[in-house]
Amino acid sequence: QKEVEQNSGPLSVPEGAIASLNCTYSDRGSQSFFWYRQYSGKSPELIMSIYSNGDKEDGRFTAQLNKASQYVSLLIRDSQPSDSATYLCAPHSYNFNKFYFGSGTKLNVKP
Amino acid sequence: DAGITQSPRYKITETGRQVTLMCHQTWSHSYMFWYRQDLGHGLRLIYYSAAADITDKGEVPDGYVVSRSKTENFPLTLESATRSQTSVYFCASRRTGEYNEQFFGPGTRLTVL
Repeated sequence: QKEVEQNSGPLSVPEGAIASLNCTYSDRGSQSFFWYRQYSGKSPELIMSIYSNGDKEDGRFTAQLNKASQYVSLLIRDSQPSDSATYLCAPHSYNFNKFYFGSGTKLNVKP
Repeated sequence: DAGITQSPRYKITETGRQVTLMCHQTWSHSYMFWYRQDLGHGLRLIYYSAAADITDKGEVPDGYVVSRSKTENFPLTLESATRSQTSVYFCASRRTGEYNEQFFGPGTRLTVL
């Protein structure tokens, strides 16, 4: 079992739609959760962090966390072509003091 | 500008040569990391450092050496470059404490011929 599971995609959504990106993790000691966006040929850029169960909204982005289900998701509302990128889920393990990185979900937003 | 920088951004070298990739951060973050990213493998941790003069191995440390004499710098050295070390290398730094966000540098694309 991988430490972080993400659907590799590509996930294709039309412009203006909601994109839903999902992630499951195996380390129950994970306490902090991060979403990174990575454009092709660029470095990962931190876009969301979430530390407690529930939803956290920041502009068009909403992160959702359910520690009991070991599940974290990212919703992108009103998707734009500029959102087309690979999204990396990254739980941080308190026990092992390390980040786990998923292999990423590639999102394509079609105009 | 504050942030994390890497140099060089692009490097071509030959098998057997020594190469050093530089990383500098201005946030005074305690933790610094080196990752490599390859198609099919995602981000893999090479080495990390919890503070100046404290370093430890990650998942794929073989063939690499690190040092950290100052908090702000964390160079990565390939002692004798091999073709399998052709990759994109990212340096990162992280806050400590409750909000332990990690930030990445722009990356160095290394090609070993």
